[in-house]
Amino acid sequence: DIQMTQSPSSLSASVGDRVTITCRASQTISTYLNWYQQRPGKAPKLLVFAASSLQSGVPSRFSGSGSGTDFTLTISSLQPEDFATYYCQQSYSTPLYTFGQGTKLEIK
Amino acid sequence: QVQLQQSGPGLVKPSQTLSLTCAISGDSVSSNSAAWNWIRQSPSRGLEWLGRTYYGSKWYNDYAVYVKSRITINPDTSKNQVSLQLNSVTPEDTAVYYCVRAAHPDTALAHFDYWGQGTLVTVSS
Repeated sequence: DIQMTQSPSSLSASVGDRVTITCRASQTISTYLNWYQQRPGKAPKLLVFAASSLQSGVPSRFSGSGSGTDFTLTISSLQPEDFATYYCQQSYSTPLYTFGQGTKLEIK
Repeated sequence: QVQLQQSGPGLVKPSQTLSLTCAISGDSVSSNSAAWNWIRQSPSRGLEWLGRTYYGSKWYNDYAVYVKSRITINPDTSKNQVSLQLNSVTPEDTAVYYCVRAAHPDTALAHFDYWGQGTLVTVSS
């Protein structure tokens, strides 16, 4: 299985900050990487697919980049509703999908 | 707008069968551009993909290796829904279970774009 490792595991930031979350794959996955946001008690929500394509309806302050083994999710200016847990997920080995362990974004 | 409505018991006894149903609206279980997945989430194991069913000239199923001997995912075209059965459950199967649609399922561009509300299933006597 392809292992996905996110860093950091948790992060404290303030409203208006620029934040970057990193995801590393255990082998090259091209750009077959998706990002999700999960608020407490809710299902994950798709933010970015294919490493850098923004899902319809997702605010433009979210962006994704990377290829090969290293990827990033950036939030350009944090809003109160962005405090949540973020997950990466590889689709290179479809259908043997795997997720990262999550990055919890908390208010400083 | 696609909506996935899950139903099923929240408590299952060890060694018994976990059964959940996912009613689909806004899409068809027989769509040839989507796959219907089950994913679970627990604090100890995180998000785990369990399996999927999809239609592409015939019905296909794929399952995760670690549950392959115990899992069945079936479509019900008459009710436009998909079901999950997981046999011989243990406390380690305690998790929130999600029904999830995958777009572009036959490609590496696959992504999970619609999720059910989740069902907490506890395995306990």
